[in-house]
Amino acid sequence: QVQLLESGPGLVKPSETLLLTCSVSGGSINTGRYYWSWIRQPAGKELEWIGRIFATGSTKYNPSLKSRFIIAVDTSKNQFSLRVTSVTPADTAVYYCAREHYDFSNWFDPWGQGILVTVSS
Amino acid sequence: EIVMTQSPATLSVSPGERATLTCRASQTISNSLAWYQQKPGQAPRLLIYAASTRATGVPARFSGSGSGAEFTLTISSLQSEDFAVYYCQQYNNRPPWTFGQGTKVEMK
Repeated sequence: QVQLLESGPGLVKPSETLLLTCSVSGGSINTGRYYWSWIRQPAGKELEWIGRIFATGSTKYNPSLKSRFIIAVDTSKNQFSLRVTSVTPADTAVYYCAREHYDFSNWFDPWGQGILVTVSS
Repeated sequence: EIVMTQSPATLSVSPGERATLTCRASQTISNSLAWYQQKPGQAPRLLIYAASTRATGVPARFSGSGSGAEFTLTISSLQSEDFAVYYCQQYNNRPPWTFGQGTKVEMK
């Protein structure tokens, strides 16, 4: 079955750029039947949907977030990524990648294990 | 943005008892609702989608109901492995998708 795995730095300094990668195994990211999403969870807080990408590269972001978040896809590597510019301590969270089911069925399954990112000098 | 409100924040239940969790949407969302279970240090796991359809492999003791703006997740007879935090998520019409703040089900 499809599995997702996040990778990236666990510690980032304020004002720097964070790059996270989600590797998809057990299935192609290019099926055309799913979106590929990023979701984050600050410690003790609720889940926040950041945005998603389709295999074609088409993206959608949470408008409540500033335009510091960029999602990209590399179908040749079966990966997608999240870039966050000018990070602040408020970006400290566990970041999850997840497969988002297609229109009118937009639940998330499966999820990656999550990666804790701490923003601190 | 649709705001999802879950209640109670914490539910204390004894093993074998029934647990009822509620999720309310700030506007009607038809049946566009999913429920997730999250255990400490783990990613959320999909339990229910379309308000009442169990995901693959989810035990029958989990059931979802509701439509419109009020939804319920019921665990008919709590097992030890069910103590966790439960989140609802709406996916009505168009993004952003939003989650509730969670209900922690703890052992009484």
